Amino acid sequence: AQKVTQAQTEISVVEKEDVTLDCVYETRDTTYYLFWYKQPPSGELVFLIRRNSFDEQNEISGRYSWNFQKSTSSFNFTITASQVVDSAVYFCALSEAGDDKIIFGKGTRLHILP
Amino acid sequence: DAGVIQSPRHEVTEMGQEVTLRCKPISGHNSLFWYRQTMMRGLELLIYFNNNVPIDDSGMPEDRFSAKMPNASFSTLKIQPSEPRDSAVYFCASSEFSSRNEQYFGPGTRLTVT
Repeated sequence: AQKVTQAQTEISVVEKEDVTLDCVYETRDTTYYLFWYKQPPSGELVFLIRRNSFDEQNEISGRYSWNFQKSTSSFNFTITASQVVDSAVYFCALSEAGDDKIIFGKGTRLHILP
Repeated sequence: DAGVIQSPRHEVTEMGQEVTLRCKPISGHNSLFWYRQTMMRGLELLIYFNNNVPIDDSGMPEDRFSAKMPNASFSTLKIQPSEPRDSAVYFCASSEFSSRNEQYFGPGTRLTVT
C-alpha cells in the first residue's frame, strides 16, 4: 500500500533562515510520481512540483529546491532565505503508475516569523 | 485560462438539509476529483471520475453522499441529509488523464452544518 509521511507537523523559523520539510514515502511500484503542494492561509492548494521515480536529479526553482533520494524513499523540500509569504501548509503526495489517485501526507504547517 | 471553479465558496446550512456543491474542471482535463479537508482527518479523496465515469468512490463516507458528472465540464457533490460532522472544506480538482499529471485544485467550498 502506498503511504506518505510528513513527520514534521509544524515548523517555525525566523525570516531569511533556510528550512527543510521532510517527506518519506512507501510504495511497491517501481514507477511512481511524487508531488509537493502549498496551501497558503487563503486556503487553495497550489501545485509546486512533480517528479517521476526515474528522475533522481535534484531540482531548483528560485528559492525552492527538492532532494529526491530513492535509497531513503525521501523527497524533501528546502526553502532558502525564507520569507513571510512562504508561511503555509505544505503537502507531499504520491501517485503510483496506473492509479489516478494521489495520496497526500498530513502536511507540515510552516510559520515564517518576521 | 480559467482554473477549476467551485460554487458556492461558503455554505451554511442546518442539519437535515440537502447540500449541493458544484465544480467546473479546467477545460480539456479528463479526470475530476472530490476531496474533503478537516483538521482531524486531513485531505481525503472522496471520489474521482475519468471521462465523466466514476472510477473509485471508496472514499465516500456513507450513502448520504453522492456525486455526479453529467458532462465533461460539470460535476456535483450532494449531501442529503447533511449532518454537523460533514462540516469541512470540500475541494474539487482536475487533471489531464493520467496519474503522472498534477491535479489542479479549485478554491474549495467551506461547508458548515449547524
